[in-house]
Formats: sequence, C-alpha cells, structure tokens
Amino acid sequence: NAGVMQNPRHLVRRRGQEARLRCSPMKGHSHVYWYRQLPEEGLKFMVYLQKENIIDESGMPKERFSAEFPKEGPSILRIQQVVRGDSAAYFCASSPQVFSGNTIYFGEGSWLTVV
Amino acid sequence: SQQGEEDPQALSIQEGENATMNCSYKTSINNLQWYRQNSGRGLVHLILIRSNEREKHSGRLRVTLDTSKKSSSLLITASRAADTASYFCATVQGGSEKLVFGKGTKLTVNP
Repeated sequence: NAGVMQNPRHLVRRRGQEARLRCSPMKGHSHVYWYRQLPEEGLKFMVYLQKENIIDESGMPKERFSAEFPKEGPSILRIQQVVRGDSAAYFCASSPQVFSGNTIYFGEGSWLTVV
Repeated sequence: SQQGEEDPQALSIQEGENATMNCSYKTSINNLQWYRQNSGRGLVHLILIRSNEREKHSGRLRVTLDTSKKSSSLLITASRAADTASYFCATVQGGSEKLVFGKGTKLTVNP
C-alpha cells in the first residue's frame, strides 16, 4: 500500500517563475492537507481539501498561492511568481475521513529552492 | 499562531541514556500527537494521546499529558544513535481539522 506520494522531491525555480507541487494521497484517502516548513521551524498549516472542495485555506498566503484537489488526479499546490521567501519544504498529508482524533499520513515533502 | 512549543530546542545525550522532551500548548485540545522527522525527510507519526488520557506507552516511548498545565512530555528510554532526529508535538484544537505544530526539539544521540 503506497504511502502519500509527493513530486517533485526537489525543485529549483528562479524568482518570478511558477512552482507546481503534486500530492497523491494514500489509496482510499479523500482528504488532503498541505503544510509548509521553513528552515529550523515546525510545520505550518496551509490548506485542507477534499475532492473538488477547499475546506479550510486559512493558512494560505492571500496572493500567489493556490491549491486544488480535482476529482481525478493528484492535489496540486501552485505558487506563482515565486520569491526567495517561498523557499521551504512543502508537505502533503492525507486521511481517509475527517481526521480529528485520528492519524494523518505525511509524504516525504517537496523542497523548493528559489534562486 | 504557534500552539505547541517544545522544550528544549536542542538536546544532546549519549547512547543508552533517556531523553525527555516537553511540549506546552495554549488552547483546549482534542488530542496531542508526537512526530519524528529525520533530516531532509517527512514526518513519522509516533504516538497520539487523547485529551482524556494521562499516559501512553509505545515500545521505548512514553508520553504524558497534563491538561491542567496544558503540557505533554515525550520520554525515549535507552536511546540509540538511530533516534537522532527532530521531534515535534502537534495539537488538534476543538472543532478544527488542522494540526498545529511546535518548532521541535532537535535530539542528537551520540554513539
């Protein structure tokens, strides 16, 4: 049973370019969460999605960031016009249902470097 | 805002010693979870303790929860070099679906 799959694992972008990070949840999981980790920091919640719905995007920056989880295919975190401050590790997690009180499963992360 | 805050920020011990990490939080919680992260890797779930539990064990791990003090501790007994990693506590606030993480404790176990 494959775990949460994220790609790419490492991504280098120049300032102003776009970054697209993909997340395939575990089989049977319909809930996806994105977190960002700055160097030497803990993870910060960004967005929570179910298939075709954004449930909670309270952690998403107001501009340049967007997320989707289409009916078919992986969840995508998109960062437009990247800046150096976007350099971070982006982690996706999934759960089979509303997870309060249960465990969510994390992917290995996508490390974005903006040069 | 940060919910969990781990203490100490860094801890260095010898193999075979016990390691204790603490976590404090601010608001009421449904449960508290501990995760481990090896350098450059994702998070691995270690243990979950619910708000109505006081202590939980899993192998060499022992977690306590004191809701009156809004604090938790993670004890790793008989540490090994392979335990070297960062350890994070995370809380789920009432009515929320998001985990809120602290900044973590960086544990180094010297062989």
